[in-house]
Amino acid sequence: AQSVTQLGSHVSVSEGALVLLRCNYSSSVPPYLFWYVQYPNQGLQLLLKYTSAATLVKGINGFEAEFKKSETSFHLTKPSAHMSDAAEYFCAVKSNNNDMRFGAGTRLTVKP
Amino acid sequence: DTEVTQTPKHLVMGMTNKKSLKCEQHMGHRAMYWYKQKAKKPPELMFVYSYEKLSINESVPSRFSPECPNSSLLNLHLHALQPEDSALYLCASSQDPGMFIYEQYFGPGTRLTVT
Repeated sequence: AQSVTQLGSHVSVSEGALVLLRCNYSSSVPPYLFWYVQYPNQGLQLLLKYTSAATLVKGINGFEAEFKKSETSFHLTKPSAHMSDAAEYFCAVKSNNNDMRFGAGTRLTVKP
Repeated sequence: DTEVTQTPKHLVMGMTNKKSLKCEQHMGHRAMYWYKQKAKKPPELMFVYSYEKLSINESVPSRFSPECPNSSLLNLHLHALQPEDSALYLCASSQDPGMFIYEQYFGPGTRLTVT
């Protein structure tokens, strides 16, 4: 069964610093992977998705993620953090039933 | 229009009440989902509708009853809930139930409090 593991429930960075949020997947077939962001008391917004077209995926708000099959990873990065990036981030994988299986989430804090 | 709307935004109900949550999308999506999200946790799948038919029920208690009247609408009927059912209820939709490539679009959620 497909699943994802997010390493680090809380990440804190300074404004302008690199953001790195880690996600590892487990899948017996080529996975479809997604990163979503959730701001307080809101729904989830898609940041980017991997569908095997390209290993480096660019998303909204300056985020990108690289699919590394050898490491079974799909880490999310952003070169320079902004205060508005503070939120909860979820990595997700499509299951065999075509629903989303989410990681536990990583809360990103951005310090001024 | 890439929006999923949910009403109401907030709902407070007693354990003997009957209420309904509503979700709507006009993107022509044929898969719709209900998720439950507790504080500081990821969303947990409850139900999936594919082409207006219930395709997945993740062992959800019968006090939650989903309904899909048409391809744009999804309801969740609530009856005799427990305080532990208090959570954010999220609706989502995706383009084609048979295609894994498509992402899910989420609504803003209904914050439910059971007293």
